[in-house]
Amino acid sequence: RKEVEQDPGPFNVPEGATVAFNCTYSNSASQSFFWYRQDCRKEPKLLMSVYSSGNEDGRFTAQLNRASQYISLLIRDSKLSDSATYLCVVKLGGSYIPTFGRGTSLIVHP
Amino acid sequence: NAGVTQTPKFQVLKTGQSMTLQCAQDMNHNSMYWYRQDPGMGLRLIYYSASEGTTDKGEVPNGYNVSRLNKREFSLRLESAAPSQTSVYFCASSEEGGLGYTFGSGTRLTVV
Repeated sequence: RKEVEQDPGPFNVPEGATVAFNCTYSNSASQSFFWYRQDCRKEPKLLMSVYSSGNEDGRFTAQLNRASQYISLLIRDSKLSDSATYLCVVKLGGSYIPTFGRGTSLIVHP
Repeated sequence: NAGVTQTPKFQVLKTGQSMTLQCAQDMNHNSMYWYRQDPGMGLRLIYYSASEGTTDKGEVPNGYNVSRLNKREFSLRLESAAPSQTSVYFCASSEEGGLGYTFGSGTRLTVV
């Protein structure tokens, strides 16, 4: 089993739709969780950290489920500009090394 | 605030040539990383430096060397380039505690 797994997609949704991605991780000792966004031919950029209690940033909501070892990202009211690849990142406590998922591709169409 | 700066942005090498990719950060981060990204493979860690004066191998270190020149700079060297090293290379840095990672804009390397 890979350390961090994501459905590669693509998720093809119309503008205004709500879409959710999950990311599963294998190491129960994982402590830090992030979602990154990567546009085509660009570098990954931090979208949001994921906290145990869940957190929201505008149209984006991140959740952590430690019991089932997954994190999720919910995007409401999708915009064309949300089209990108979303990378899940997991890090063990005390480790310097993050583990990146391979990403989920989102395409928002008019 | 420039963040993480990588040079060059593009490079074409012939098999067997050598080159150094440069990376500098101005955020006073302790940790720095070199990744390569290939289609369908995601980001793979080549080397990292937890702090100035230390470097460690990542998942795919063969064919590469690194130097943590000072706290700001972390370079990646290809001694004898091979076509398998054709990739996009990203440098990243993070602060103590790893509260997120800041990436440079990448170097697109082609080895022919």
